[in-house]
Amino acid sequence: GIQVEQSPPDLILQEGANSTLRCNFSDSVNNLQWFHQNPWGQLINLFYIPSGTKQNGRLSATTVATERYSLLYISSSQTTDSGVYFCAASDTSGTYKYIFGTGTRLKVLA
Amino acid sequence: GAVVSQHPSRVICKSGTSVKIECRSLDFQATTMFWYRQFPKKSLMLMATSNEGSKATYEQGVEKDKFLINHASLTLSTLTVTSAHPEDSSFYICSARAGAGELFFGEGSRLTVL
Repeated sequence: GIQVEQSPPDLILQEGANSTLRCNFSDSVNNLQWFHQNPWGQLINLFYIPSGTKQNGRLSATTVATERYSLLYISSSQTTDSGVYFCAASDTSGTYKYIFGTGTRLKVLA
Repeated sequence: GAVVSQHPSRVICKSGTSVKIECRSLDFQATTMFWYRQFPKKSLMLMATSNEGSKATYEQGVEKDKFLINHASLTLSTLTVTSAHPEDSSFYICSARAGAGELFFGEGSRLTVL
């Protein structure tokens, strides 16, 4: 099955800094999403982005499906951005089974 | 976005008892729901695909008789952890697909087995 890897595993930033999180996947995908998991465990949908580029405020994401990677950009980071960021993808089999990456644990310092 | 609700959010039970967790899609119909398990500081692991009106499909290594899944309606899937043991303690989280393929997740259920 599809494998999803994320980098870096951990990231510490000063408030106001920018960052790029990467997600690599091993096979063609039909679906790809980015999530933020808050301290209570809730997964917050950030982007549904099987291809192309999207932006939402200080966050943006780009997926280059032909090269099997996706990037999440966080600009002007805030302490509230802290948490774990996951990407998840499902392959082209039509099952919609999303496989999660290992996650990036982000800590933004005031 | 679509809303998925999960209940209970926390449950503590004694070893040997069974626990049922409910997952509801509140504003859309979901023919397929997914159950995940997460250990502390780890990623989410897919346990099974819940199909409305038919048997669930379990991932390799997941015990069907331990984790019973029922998807009786287009808005409700349940996960029952049978004869729970301390090693079943974990964070269980459900999701449902809405629209073209986007997944929406419930709040998760933290199970502690004493």
